Amino acid sequence: AQKITQTQPGMFVQEKEAVTLDCTYDTSDPSYGLFWYKQPSSGEMIFLIYQGSYDQQNATEGRYSLNFQKARKSANLVISASQLGDSAMYFCAMREGRLGMGSQGNLIFGKGTKLSVKP
Amino acid sequence: DVKVTQSSRYLVKRTGEKVFLECVQDMDHENMFWYRQDPGLGLRLIYFSYDVKMKEKGDIPEGYSVSREKKERFSLILESASTNQTSMYLCASSFLPGFYNEQFFGPGTRLTVL
Repeated sequence: AQKITQTQPGMFVQEKEAVTLDCTYDTSDPSYGLFWYKQPSSGEMIFLIYQGSYDQQNATEGRYSLNFQKARKSANLVISASQLGDSAMYFCAMREGRLGMGSQGNLIFGKGTKLSVKP
Repeated sequence: DVKVTQSSRYLVKRTGEKVFLECVQDMDHENMFWYRQDPGLGLRLIYFSYDVKMKEKGDIPEGYSVSREKKERFSLILESASTNQTSMYLCASSFLPGFYNEQFFGPGTRLTVL
């Protein structure tokens, strides 16, 4: 079974509008972290935002916010006021387990969502 | 700023050649990772290393090996390149430990095997 599921292979959004990119995850470990990365056409992966499983509040970083619904195991990325430069692939990723017990900080990635911002 | 560099952005090799992909990070990170990225499959972990001379297999290690002789450098080796290894290869590094610590990625190497 997939650990990270991104159900939207591609999405369009009008410039200046908000957009939500979906991510659901599967883990039985109570300790985990969720990450979102952006990959522009240049290829480099850019870290956007992090949410820990014990964090009480949803993470925010500028125009990015993470809609964390623990019971539903979802960690959707919300981009407010979309810009043309937001056009890119977006990846959701999870780190699970206690550090030092095998994982060594590995990330498990979803298959990504391609976001296209229209002028 | 953390900098992760990869030796080539684009590489073209022939089937059967031995291929070296080099990755260097300048932030004294303990962890280093090699991924391959294919359309529709996301990023898949090939190998990772949490210390000099230490390595662990990821999800798809077959056909690859790695070397970490110095903390800042992590090499991916294709012993005998095949056409199904045509892909984008991404290197990453991170601090250890730290649950929060994100991975910092290099620009990627797009490898074509003919």
